[in-house]
Amino acid sequence: EAGVAQSPRYKIIEKRQSVAFWCNPISGHATLYWYQQILGQGPKLLIQFQNNGVVDDSQLPKDRFSAERLKGVDSTLKIQPAKLEDSAVYLCASSVLRDSTDTQYFGPGTRLTVL
Amino acid sequence: KNEVEQSPQNLTAQEGEFITINCSYSVGISALHWLQQHPGGGIVSLFMLSSGKKKHGRLIATINIQEKHSSLHITASHPRDSAVYICAVRGSARQLTFGSGTQLTVLP
Repeated sequence: EAGVAQSPRYKIIEKRQSVAFWCNPISGHATLYWYQQILGQGPKLLIQFQNNGVVDDSQLPKDRFSAERLKGVDSTLKIQPAKLEDSAVYLCASSVLRDSTDTQYFGPGTRLTVL
Repeated sequence: KNEVEQSPQNLTAQEGEFITINCSYSVGISALHWLQQHPGGGIVSLFMLSSGKKKHGRLIATINIQEKHSSLHITASHPRDSAVYICAVRGSARQLTFGSGTQLTVLP
């Protein structure tokens, strides 16, 4: 079974530039998560999708971050414009069910450096 | 105070040693996860617990719901166990809240 795919793996941009990340979850997984992991910290949930609908985006900085999952499969996360503090690993995860017994499968992450 | 606290932050052990990583949380939870993160960012789910104890190979995870505490044990540690171990809890909001991780280094 193929895992969660993310691209690019690494991205370096200057502040105020825009960047987009892509995630392809495991086939059949209805729930998709985007996390931000700053160096030395645990992942922080940015947004959770159930199919193509948003379940939770309470910690997404909506003035600069946006995410979509138009067909309920692939998802993109965009930052526009980027700030220095956005430097982090952006992790995508997917799961089958949206309940407490659900296991999340993580992608390899995209490491973003903002200069 | 963070909702999920892990200790220690860093741990160095000799190959073969028994290792314990601790996780304490301050909220009511429906499940607790132990995750392993290798350099490069890949995260693997090791265990999901809601009570008692689970064992998989050399890894053992326990949880005490009353004390809001969980431990991850590694028996006969090996250099390939070197990674960051992360505790995450699922509360009433159904989202995972993560600890900051424990960096484990096992020396040959």
